[in-house]
This record gives sequence, structure tokens and C-alpha cells, in this order.
Amino acid sequence: EIVLTQSPATLSLSPGERATLSCRASQSVSSYLAWYQQKPGQAPRLLIYDASNRATGIPARFSGSGSGTDFTLTISSLEPEDFAVYYCQQRSNWPLMYTFGQGTKLEIK
Amino acid sequence: QVQLQESGPGLVKPSQTLSLTCTVSGGSISSGSYYWSWIRQPAGKGLEWIGRIYTSGSTNYNPSLKSRVTISVDTSKNQFSLKLSSVTAADTAVYYCASSYGELFGYWGQGTLVTVSS
Repeated sequence: EIVLTQSPATLSLSPGERATLSCRASQSVSSYLAWYQQKPGQAPRLLIYDASNRATGIPARFSGSGSGTDFTLTISSLEPEDFAVYYCQQRSNWPLMYTFGQGTKLEIK
Repeated sequence: QVQLQESGPGLVKPSQTLSLTCTVSGGSISSGSYYWSWIRQPAGKGLEWIGRIYTSGSTNYNPSLKSRVTISVDTSKNQFSLKLSSVTAADTAVYYCASSYGELFGYWGQGTLVTVSS
């Protein structure tokens, strides 16, 4: 089973600052990694797929990069609505499993 | 746009079976190459994938839950369902249904809280 480890657990920043979130896989997942944003009381929302492709309607300030085992989600200039929990996720084929990282909470400083 | 809505009891007794249904609207559950998944999230914790089904009835389950999980589909009602047997307090969580394409989950239900308690 592939384990995804996100860091930091909590990130405290101010609006307008740049956020860099990390996700490390225990073995290579190629570029098959997705990022989600979850706000309190809401379902997760897909932000990034295939490591670097923005989902429909996602603002350009969100970008993803990486391949293999190390991935990054960057928010170039934080807006008030960006403060939330972010999860990375991958799918492995043997056994067939979807796994999520434990999440990074992005909070207002 | 595809929408998903979970429904089912919010309270289940220990050792009983949790049963939830997800109704898909805005598109046919049989169309395209989508899989239909259940995912859960205990309060204040992360996301755990439970299992998925294709409209053919083919299923895949999380190995850690496989012995207790059954996912089924009813294409005539545009619904798929989850049964989780022998529940304990550790199964208390918000349960989400979601559609997956490839490795990602594009559409999610709003989630439903299921509490396991006597």
C-alpha cells in the first residue's frame, strides 16, 4: 500500500502570501496525483489532477508540480477563501486502492 | 452537471449493518467510464476510501474493510448503495459518495453523518 505523507500538518500564513504544501509518496506514483480542498462542513473539491492540471473552474493561483514521489501544491497569493484543509490523493493498482494524505490545514496567521 | 446525494439512517446500533444509498442526478450512472465510490471521514480526521463499483457490477474494496463491505448498483434507479456490517464506534463518520474517473474524484455528495451508538 502506498502511503502519502503531507507536510506541514498546519501552515499559518496571511492573505496575499504564497503557500507551499508538500506531499510525499512512499513509492513512485508517476504523475497520478490529485489535490483537494476541503472547507468545514463541505465535501472535498478537486483542485489539481495528474499532478499539475487544474480542474475546471479552479483559479490560476493554484498550481501543482512534481512526479514520482515528491509533489507540491502552490497557492501563489492567498485569498481569504483559500484557508481550508488540503489533501493529496493517489490510486494504486495492486491492490486497487485510493489513498489520501493526512491533510495540511492552511490557517490564517 | 452530475450531482450526488447520500441518504440513509443517521444512527446505527453496534454490531448492526450500516446501509446508505447514493442517488445520482444530472446524468446516467451507466454512462461513460465512471466508477462510483464510497469514502468516509471520522470527525476531525482524514479521508478513507471504502470501495467502488462500476455499472457492470464489478467492485473493488479497501482491503482493510473488505470483509465487512458490500457495494451494489441499481441502474434503473440511478443509485448505488453501501452496506457495512458489524459496525462499531470506530465506524462513526461522515460518509461521502463520489464519482471517480481515472485516479481522481470529480463529483462528491454533500456527505451524511452516521453515528454508531446504542
